[in-house]
Amino acid sequence: DSGVTQTPKHLITATGQRVTLRCSPRSGDLSVYWYQQSLDQGLQFLIQYYNGEERAKGNILERFSAQQFPDLHSELNLSSLELGDSALYFCASSPQGLNTEAFFGQGTRLTVV
Amino acid sequence: AQSVTQLGSHVSVSEGALVLLRCNYSSSVPPYLFWYVQYPNQGLQLLLKYTTGATLVKGINGFEAEFKKSETSFHLTKPSAHMSDAAEYFCAVSEAGRRALTFGSGTRLQVQP
Repeated sequence: DSGVTQTPKHLITATGQRVTLRCSPRSGDLSVYWYQQSLDQGLQFLIQYYNGEERAKGNILERFSAQQFPDLHSELNLSSLELGDSALYFCASSPQGLNTEAFFGQGTRLTVV
Repeated sequence: AQSVTQLGSHVSVSEGALVLLRCNYSSSVPPYLFWYVQYPNQGLQLLLKYTTGATLVKGINGFEAEFKKSETSFHLTKPSAHMSDAAEYFCAVSEAGRRALTFGSGTRLQVQP
């Protein structure tokens, strides 16, 4: 158990809908990262938050957004969903802004039908 | 820019044989390097990491990797494969730990009895 909790584990939704994925980092970790894992794109970095502020952006679509709350949990919002958004979404956390070690959650499997 | 290349999307070895999974990286500054393992329907688990110091790093489950700057490589090895090692392995890089991890495309390891 990495200590990173993601909910829900599975999500099935229709095209055009909006969903919210939730992540609770390890106790004390200030950084949260979101990754998307799909068969064709592999593991892609989406966005990083550090202590409530956006730190870095990767290949995140404009339809997607995220935030980190004062209690350090984070949410990834995916809107106007398309079939191609079906993927495994991972959250990871690390103690500081430096990537000395990132701990991954079990992921949320999103299926868009 | 940072990037990772993993040679061989599938590697098959016999139980008891040497495991060698290849990883080459590109980084404009000293890299932090990581190997993660992913079992089916699981998140990513850190096997080992190199940040600074000794170039031969030992990880969990008997794995080790050597950072070779001249070859820009960080290959993962294990002297004797076990059936439980069957999984997907990902190499990742972060430029001096200041950027989010960039992952390779992964290598699926099969262990034959």
